[in-house]
Amino acid sequence: SQTIHQWPATLVQPVGSPLSLECTVEGTSNPNLYWYRQAAGRGLQLLFYSVGIGQISSEVPQNLSASRPQDRQFILSSKKLLLSDSGFYLCAWTGGRAFFYEQYFGPGTRLTVT
Amino acid sequence: KNQVEQSPQSLIILEGKNCTLQCNYTVSPFSNLRWYKQDTGRGPVSLTIMTFSENTKSNGRYTATLDADTKQSSLHITASQLSDSASYICVVTDTNAGKSTFGDGTTLTVKP
Repeated sequence: SQTIHQWPATLVQPVGSPLSLECTVEGTSNPNLYWYRQAAGRGLQLLFYSVGIGQISSEVPQNLSASRPQDRQFILSSKKLLLSDSGFYLCAWTGGRAFFYEQYFGPGTRLTVT
Repeated sequence: KNQVEQSPQSLIILEGKNCTLQCNYTVSPFSNLRWYKQDTGRGPVSLTIMTFSENTKSNGRYTATLDADTKQSSLHITASQLSDSASYICVVTDTNAGKSTFGDGTTLTVKP
């Protein structure tokens, strides 16, 4: 069966520090991968999605970047965190085009920028 | 602009009671509509997914309906349990680029 992992589970970082969040998927190959951010009491905002290694699409201009160094690994990064980067970050995968296949979410990372 | 609006924003019910959550959308062209349950501090978990031709889909005590003409969906929860306390998120995907639009969710609290 397929499993999606995210780490760390929680993170407290000072403003201006770098960030690296990791997501890995097991039990499938060539997944579409997604990074979302969820502000408190709000819906999910799509940040990045990837249909293959090295292929990254950005949905909104921001202080963050994403990379996909391996087929089942998706990394969210920042060189200098802002207070507004605080939130709940979710990684998700699908087996194909998003509109035909179910999206499966990871457990999330709670990021607090102080 | 594609939008998904959910109502009510929050809801409190007593254990054992039924409730209905609403989702209105303007996403076009429509591909599918999903309902997710998100426990506090966890990732969303899929409850149902419906395509254009489906107007009802059940998953245990959860029943989703879809009216593609009026662009409305509802999620009905029967005989609520304490474990149903969560945020319920409506997600609508279009066929242009397979992009999904998320509602802000309805926070349901079930009290004993």
